[in-house]
Amino acid sequence: DTGVSQDPRHKITKRGQNVTFRCDPISEHNRLYWYRQTLGQGPEFLTYFQNEAQLEKSRLLSDRFSAERPKGSFSTLEIQRTEQGDSAMYLCASSSQGGGLIIAPYEQYFGPGTRLTVT
Amino acid sequence: EDQVTQSPEALRLQEGESSSLNCSYTVSGLRGLFWYRQDPGKGPEFLFTLYSAGEEKEKERLKATLTKKESFLHITAPKPEDSATYLCAVQARGSQGNLIFGKGTKLSVKP
Repeated sequence: DTGVSQDPRHKITKRGQNVTFRCDPISEHNRLYWYRQTLGQGPEFLTYFQNEAQLEKSRLLSDRFSAERPKGSFSTLEIQRTEQGDSAMYLCASSSQGGGLIIAPYEQYFGPGTRLTVT
Repeated sequence: EDQVTQSPEALRLQEGESSSLNCSYTVSGLRGLFWYRQDPGKGPEFLFTLYSAGEEKEKERLKATLTKKESFLHITAPKPEDSATYLCAVQARGSQGNLIFGKGTKLSVKP
């Protein structure tokens, strides 16, 4: 089991540029979550997919943010026209939906994160 | 509004000095309470899930307990490698499964 992976691990960009992050969940997990974490704070929920359907978006997810999970496997998070306030760690997590699997329902396993710095 | 508050914000212990971290929560129906460990620059690492008041779970030097209003993470005879930020999160009934996190407790264990 390779766990949740994220790419890139670090991204430095200039204000106004677009950036895209990728998340590969644990292979048997059908749920995928994106969170954002700033220094000294806990992760904050951004959006959630079940298979390829995006089922919930936080009010934190402005119009400049878009997420996709086209085939129900990996997911991408794009930020357009980045602002300095977007600087944060972007975390991806995945979970199964229960049904007698070894992994209990709703427990989320996180990837290593992508650290974004907007200059 | 669903909310999680962790205390203290930071805790310094000597190696072998046992202590507890607190997580107080208000939520419209608790589906689960989760403890994670986070090392600097890394993603949170899952530790425990607690589902109902009175439940306890243990892993090595860590023991998590749950009441109707709060959870405790007890650390027995900590070692320097236990130094990390410990995050508490809740999942509310009726949510799509997103977690609501506290700000965490930064634990430092000195040899």
